[in-house]
Amino acid sequence: DTAVSQTPKYLVTQMGNDKSIKCEQNLGHDTMYWYKQDSKKFLKIMFSYNNKELIINETVPNRFSPKSPDKAHLNLHINSLELGDSAVYFCASSVGAAGGQRQYFGPGTRLTVL
Amino acid sequence: AQSVTQPDIHITVSEGASLELRCNYSYGATPYLFWYVQSPGQGLQLLLKYFSGDTLVQGIKGFEAEFKRSQSSFNLRKPSVHWSDAAEYFCAVALTDSWGKFQFGAGTQVVVTP
Repeated sequence: DTAVSQTPKYLVTQMGNDKSIKCEQNLGHDTMYWYKQDSKKFLKIMFSYNNKELIINETVPNRFSPKSPDKAHLNLHINSLELGDSAVYFCASSVGAAGGQRQYFGPGTRLTVL
Repeated sequence: AQSVTQPDIHITVSEGASLELRCNYSYGATPYLFWYVQSPGQGLQLLLKYFSGDTLVQGIKGFEAEFKRSQSSFNLRKPSVHWSDAAEYFCAVALTDSWGKFQFGAGTQVVVTP
């Protein structure tokens, strides 16, 4: 009964390819997030959706496109992958989008671009 | 500029010794404050959080943190570390109107020696 799950756990691909990472939460939360953790472990928010509406869109290349088909899912599609996209991507969810809400994190997807 | 600083990139501590991890923030108002732990290859798990009230907050796994407004600090402590506490620790802050946007510190890696 995993709370926030991501697939795949590992993703190795060539430069220029297009790939997707899927995230699902079974907590009944209405807000979901994508974070990128670089090789120095620095975590930075990329996107956030509240009730399927985009509410946070940080300065992220437009090759990255989040899609939220419903409140329980937030997928991340990446076009034309570049070496610099190699990182661990974390999905998270929370009840509401107020600043003080605890965020529950998925296990991460390690993306390696060759 | 708003920022979260974890001054110690790396801390080595002996099993059974006490541990203190530092976190300083720079925000116009007191933000919501969190400590998360990331074990190797895992997602982030919430240890504790501070919103208001008692400035000494108890968390899971025997951790506690103290909020000091005058020092803009939220340091994490544990009286006696266990080998299983070896992990990366992240301080995070969020403002009330931040739409759930967490800003994470750079993390402190804790190594526990026998």
